[in-house]
Amino acid sequence: EDQVTQSPEALRLQEGESSSLNCSYTVSGLRGLFWYRQDPGKGPEFLFTLYSAGEEKEKERLKATLTKKESFLHITAPKPEDSATYLCAVLSNTGKLIFGQGTTLQVKP
Amino acid sequence: GAVVSQHPSRVICKSGTSVKIECRSLDFQATTMFWYRQFPKQSLMLMATSNEGSKATYEQGVEKDKFLINHASLTLSTLTVTSAHPEDSSFYICSARPNLRGNSPLHFGNGTRLTVT
Repeated sequence: EDQVTQSPEALRLQEGESSSLNCSYTVSGLRGLFWYRQDPGKGPEFLFTLYSAGEEKEKERLKATLTKKESFLHITAPKPEDSATYLCAVLSNTGKLIFGQGTTLQVKP
Repeated sequence: GAVVSQHPSRVICKSGTSVKIECRSLDFQATTMFWYRQFPKQSLMLMATSNEGSKATYEQGVEKDKFLINHASLTLSTLTVTSAHPEDSSFYICSARPNLRGNSPLHFGNGTRLTVT
């Protein structure tokens, strides 16, 4: 059964304290892995797409990486405005997009 | 960037009434749109796939007579929650792919918070 698991469920950081969020997946053939940011009461905002192991994408303080079993979202020197829920979603060969439960990040000034 | 617009952002209705939610692709055409539902502190669950000019495809466990989907044009899909009950209270979000490639990312609307009293 296709599955996507994100950890940790919640993460509290001090401003400037770098860390990583994990997205582990088991799917019948990976067609793409997507990272989204979701603010309270809003829809998910697209961040990155990764298609193959070894691929990396960067945007400001965020960097996403991909292996055959998991993806990491690295946050370097986070700021309070980075506080949000980060969602990972995996597109499998069945065509289904499966979302993880999300990691809620809180960055304190 | 690609924009998906959803309306209304919030709606409160009485039990037994129907509510319509609109989803528009503002700067691209979408032959397919996706409707998701999200409960508090939970992830997104796909309810149905809306296809322009044909019937929607519903996920297992989603009642098609309760959640009516109409995709009348290449830029508009609507979800009507019929005979709403308090358990239908949730956050409904639509999405679409601006890029026709099947493995390109979905872009989401800002969601509709439905409260049934």
